[in-house]
Amino acid sequence: GQQVMQIPQYQHVQEGEDFTTYCNSSTTLSNIQWYKQRPGGHPVFLIQLVKSGEVKKQKRLTFQFGEAKKNSSLHITATQTTDVGTYFCVKSSGDKLTFGTGTRLAVRP
Amino acid sequence: KAGVTQTPRYLIKTRGQQVTLSCSPISGHRSVSWYQQTPGQGLQFLFEYFSETQRNKGNFPGRFSGRQFSNSRSEMNVSTLELGDSALYLCASSLAGASYEQYFGPGTRLTVT
Repeated sequence: GQQVMQIPQYQHVQEGEDFTTYCNSSTTLSNIQWYKQRPGGHPVFLIQLVKSGEVKKQKRLTFQFGEAKKNSSLHITATQTTDVGTYFCVKSSGDKLTFGTGTRLAVRP
Repeated sequence: KAGVTQTPRYLIKTRGQQVTLSCSPISGHRSVSWYQQTPGQGLQFLFEYFSETQRNKGNFPGRFSGRQFSNSRSEMNVSTLELGDSALYLCASSLAGASYEQYFGPGTRLTVT
């Protein structure tokens, strides 16, 4: 079964509002990757976090890795219509990637 | 550089038939992974190949198989198709495996009738 849960499953925001998706694992993660999939598209790599408590920023996106390396979050400040899509956190174990359940973001212009 | 390519992009098959999907990775990438994406089950890992060797396999029946050639191109095969096999099949390439950034292809949309 799915070992990486994401919440919320779906979020609809007004353009300009902030958005956060949370990713939780039942086991300690060696690293966590984040991907974005636009409607009708394929997943695109956003970032990888490796260190406990790590925080990385990409323009309006802030990624965080929990101190215990069991959770992660992605925060988008002032959403834009271009942020629409599904955001996945992904854990790797060995040579296998396990995708989270995903959070679908819709943005009202 | 050219991205990951997958052929065909769309496919319609009948139950009981078999299908072969192809993936050409980014030049220099030695790892190719395959995923099945459905609305109900999300993105599920099928298998990963590195230098022609399968290193990991997901929880799929033996009807799903794959291989990788010496030029890193990969194929996956599904035999005795079932309606539930209808899905988007994505392949991803990376330099050396799961710990590296994955570059996904556009996918093959398989419909089984």
